Amino acid sequence: DAKTTQPPSMDCAEGRAANLPCNHSTISGNEYVYWYRQIHSQGPQYIIHGLKNNETNEMASLIITEDRKSSTLILPHATLRDTAVYYCIVRVAGANNLFFGTGTRLTVIP
Amino acid sequence: DVKVTQSSRYLVKRTGEKVFLECVQDMDHENMFWYRQDPGLGLRLIYFSYDVKMKEKGDIPEGYSVSREKKERFSLILESASTNQTSMYLCASLKRKGMTGELFFGEGSRLTVL
Repeated sequence: DAKTTQPPSMDCAEGRAANLPCNHSTISGNEYVYWYRQIHSQGPQYIIHGLKNNETNEMASLIITEDRKSSTLILPHATLRDTAVYYCIVRVAGANNLFFGTGTRLTVIP
Repeated sequence: DVKVTQSSRYLVKRTGEKVFLECVQDMDHENMFWYRQDPGLGLRLIYFSYDVKMKEKGDIPEGYSVSREKKERFSLILESASTNQTSMYLCASLKRKGMTGELFFGEGSRLTVL
């Protein structure tokens, strides 16, 4: 599986959009981009995933660049409950394993 | 509601003891995983299983073994616990068919080895 690179930490003001970047320059054509988050003392939680097109669900939006070498997770109106570690992962559909990195610690500030 | 249940939230064991961490999922998922999580290192994959009695090594299998006798249960075994195995252990499951990639995690088991 290709590796990802994320900034170790970010701050965001409450109510503003949080934009979390992820680099995956070695991604291959059949690898999806997944985002998870982990709130303190809980197991990670799935947020969203995509292949080429931008995706949106009730939690977030995922913007993938045309060359697929990077992506951005957008939380449109960050709340204090969005404070968590966010993980970006790439994975081949149907692959049995999933490798996490160190993620980005997002702190939403009142 | 989907659920992954880990047997113990907190354990304290002594060096050399045999430790069993149990994980049960009620979603009929084919794939199950064990990760450990340490500060600054993120989640690291220890072992995973894609079917009953099948197992594959992850990034850091040394010092661990696993057992998957039934589809719903995946056990992590530390044959002889050492202090460097003090960590948070996370179990997860994934449905193979459909392949949305949505891993479901348990709440974690925090193991301290003295």
